[in-house]
Amino acid sequence: DSGVTQTPKHLITATGQRVTLRCSPRSGDLSVYWYQQSLDQGLQFLIQYYNGEERAKGNILERFSAQQFPDLHSELNLSSLELGDSALYFCASSVGGGQSRAEQFFGPGTRLTVL
Amino acid sequence: GQQVMQIPQYQHVQEGEDFTTYCNSSTTLSNIQWYKQRPGGHPVFLIQLVKSGEVKKQKRLTFQFGEAKKNSSLHITATQTTDVGTYFCGGTNYKLTFGKGTLLTVNP
Repeated sequence: DSGVTQTPKHLITATGQRVTLRCSPRSGDLSVYWYQQSLDQGLQFLIQYYNGEERAKGNILERFSAQQFPDLHSELNLSSLELGDSALYFCASSVGGGQSRAEQFFGPGTRLTVL
Repeated sequence: GQQVMQIPQYQHVQEGEDFTTYCNSSTTLSNIQWYKQRPGGHPVFLIQLVKSGEVKKQKRLTFQFGEAKKNSSLHITATQTTDVGTYFCGGTNYKLTFGKGTLLTVNP
């Protein structure tokens, strides 16, 4: 158990819909990262927040957005869902804000299926 | 942009055989991280390499960072069934870019 929690575990929805994934980082960690994992693309970095502010952006689509709240939990919002958005979404956390130097602790993931 | 390639994509070995996965970056990296993901699980941090030419060992696992800081390798000696999983390297400049991973399966 990494100490990072993610809800829900599974999500099944239809194309065009909007969903929200939630992540609570390890106690004391200020950074939260979101990743998308699909079979053909591997682990794709989406976005990082540090202490409530956006720190780094990866391959995140405009239909996706995220935020980190004062209690440091984070939410990833996915809208206008397409079949290709079906994937495993991981949240990770680390103590510092420097992605390049910080060991990341991954949550169990949310499996999103878009029908 | 920064690209990290990993080979092989898949590797099947007999228990007791050695295994090596290679990670190559299109750009010089500030450091490299290795993670392991068991089937159905989440990535778990194994190690971080920072210095040019660095070699680190964890029991049967040996990690190397190339002299030019553009490649890395993970070598497992005498594989066991518990080594099964996908091994990812993550190369960093200001952000962490993962390779697609090497899936290791071990035949007991």
